[in-house]
Amino acid sequence: EVQLVESGGGLVQPGRSLRLSCAASGFTFDDYAMHWVRQAPGRGLEWVSSISWNSVNIGYADSVKGRFTISRDNAKNSLYLQMNSLRAEDTALYYCGKDRWGGAYGTFIEYWGQGTLVTVSS
Amino acid sequence: DIQMTQSPSSLSASVGDRVTITCRASQDISNYLAWFQQKPGKAPKSLIYAASSLQSGVPSKFSGSGSGTDFTLTISSLQPEDFATYYCQQYNSYPLTFGGGTKVEIK
Repeated sequence: EVQLVESGGGLVQPGRSLRLSCAASGFTFDDYAMHWVRQAPGRGLEWVSSISWNSVNIGYADSVKGRFTISRDNAKNSLYLQMNSLRAEDTALYYCGKDRWGGAYGTFIEYWGQGTLVTVSS
Repeated sequence: DIQMTQSPSSLSASVGDRVTITCRASQDISNYLAWFQQKPGKAPKSLIYAASSLQSGVPSKFSGSGSGTDFTLTISSLQPEDFATYYCQQYNSYPLTFGGGTKVEIK
């Protein structure tokens, strides 16, 4: 059974940093691209970032480019999101997701974690 | 960036109704479209990919169609467990983009 467990969320002041983690199990982690998608309270889904199985191909939403960094450790079956210079508008539930395929680029999330809440406020 | 527009943004329907949700892309995305269902307080669930392929374990009452710029998600006979918000997402090109969602409510 595929399991994705996010952690690292919490309350943080504007301008500070936070690192999210996603622990994966139940599948061969280094075969698949992975994603981060967020959802602000009461709002829709927003793609944040994706990373290919080998970390060669990475993409970011314009809203986080230059501030967020996605990475993965295939030896630890883990996905990360380093979030710097956080803003109030980054407040959201952050979901980790496993891609449907093992291609060179991420496509869409086949399996979703339960999310970790990030609140940016002074 | 490719914009994804869903309509309607919300709808009221009765158990047993046939429901259709539309998703329009701002440019040709071939069939690189996925649909998701999200219930309140829960993570989204993948329903359909490649515009019309059913994800494993998803009941056949869900179906998708379309290609190019216009797509639909149909629920053939709405059941109580289907009341949720539905999202489309294109994966033709980066940035990946979602539609704004369609909330299906009980009439």
